[in-house]
Amino acid sequence: EIVLTQSPGTLSLSPGDRATLSCRASQTVLSSYLAWYQQKPGQAPRLLIHAASSRAAGIPDRFSGSGSGTDFTLTISRLEPEDFAVYYCQQYGTSGGYTFGQGTKLEIK
Amino acid sequence: QVRLQESGPGLVKPSQTLSLTCTVSGGSISSRGYYWSWIRQHPEKGLEWIGYTYNSGSTSYSPSLKSRVSISEDTSKNQFSLKLSSVTAADTAVYYCARGFRSNIESWGQGTQVSVSS
Repeated sequence: EIVLTQSPGTLSLSPGDRATLSCRASQTVLSSYLAWYQQKPGQAPRLLIHAASSRAAGIPDRFSGSGSGTDFTLTISRLEPEDFAVYYCQQYGTSGGYTFGQGTKLEIK
Repeated sequence: QVRLQESGPGLVKPSQTLSLTCTVSGGSISSRGYYWSWIRQHPEKGLEWIGYTYNSGSTSYSPSLKSRVSISEDTSKNQFSLKLSSVTAADTAVYYCARGFRSNIESWGQGTQVSVSS
């Protein structure tokens, strides 16, 4: 089973800053099977990025995804106040099912 | 736009079976290519995939829960359901139903809190 490890656990930044969130897999993940989600308190997660680098419908272009193999990155180019939330990466396993990372909390500095 | 709504008891006794239903509107659960999932989130914790149904009745479950889980569809009501048997306090969580593709999850219900306690 592939394990996804996200870093850092908590990221403290200010509005206007650039955020770089990492997701490392214990084995190679096909890029088409790597996604990123945003979750705000009391809300369900929201799909941001699929296939490692494709923005989901309605997602602002300040969000971008990159990476391949075992290392993937979510970048938020200029943080808006509404971007402070928890972010999860997720992969689809070839034996079926989804695996999530433990999350990165993006908090206001 | 598809909408998903979870329903079921908010409190379940230990050793009993947790049963939840997801009602889907704005889309058919019979549509090919979609995966209809149950996912849970323990308090202040991350997301855990429980299982999904797809292709009109095929299922796949998390290895860690497989012995206790069953997911089924009711196409006449456009619903799918979760049953988790022999629950303990460790099954206390917010339970989400969701629609996705093989590789990701694109629509989520709002979630329902289920507590296991006597």
